[in-house]
Amino acid sequence: SQQGEEDPQALSIQEGENATMNCSYKTSINNLQWYRQNSGRGLVHLILIRSNEREKHSGRLRVTLDTSKKSSSLLITASRAADTASYFCATDGVSGNTPLVFGKGTRLSVIA
Amino acid sequence: DGGITQSPKYLFRKEGQNVTLSCEQNLNHDAMYWYRQDPGQGLRLIYYSQIVNDFQKGDIAEGYSVSREKKESFPLTVTSAQKNPTAFYLCASTLGFGYTFGSGTRLTVV
Repeated sequence: SQQGEEDPQALSIQEGENATMNCSYKTSINNLQWYRQNSGRGLVHLILIRSNEREKHSGRLRVTLDTSKKSSSLLITASRAADTASYFCATDGVSGNTPLVFGKGTRLSVIA
Repeated sequence: DGGITQSPKYLFRKEGQNVTLSCEQNLNHDAMYWYRQDPGQGLRLIYYSQIVNDFQKGDIAEGYSVSREKKESFPLTVTSAQKNPTAFYLCASTLGFGYTFGSGTRLTVV
């Protein structure tokens, strides 16, 4: 079952603009994570936000979490052509030790 | 350098043939996972293992089998019972939070 659903499915922006991707999920979680995947490669972990956190920053990344709405957003500021990739949110369950459930991803294209 | 190695990168399977995908990690991670990714789709869980000699089925385990005889290794066998095996297969491991992924094996039925 895929719990996370990213929105939009695809996003195209100019270099230097900000990119915002959203993720909605269905059940309670311990934490939510964002991953990046370059075409034909494995996923790379970007950031983890716990259920008791509302916002987290890492470099040009800003993640927010609203557990009342069961949603999260990933903001990439001052985007670069190298940010072109697919971005996935992933959630665990409250019981712990459960495998991550991934959404279908947002495909981001940054045009130089 | 620590990481996860998946091999081969590309694999071709004939109808009715079993094939095994290799996944090896030197990160000393306890938990390992196999996911399947179809074009334009997210990842679906096939099998996972949290300790040696133990593993659990994921959402789409039918037609697949695994073993976990060593902490470092978690091979996946795609059996002839898997009717639509063409996909990108990803192996991952973790100590508890963020997953580390291999670079994937692309399996094609010919």
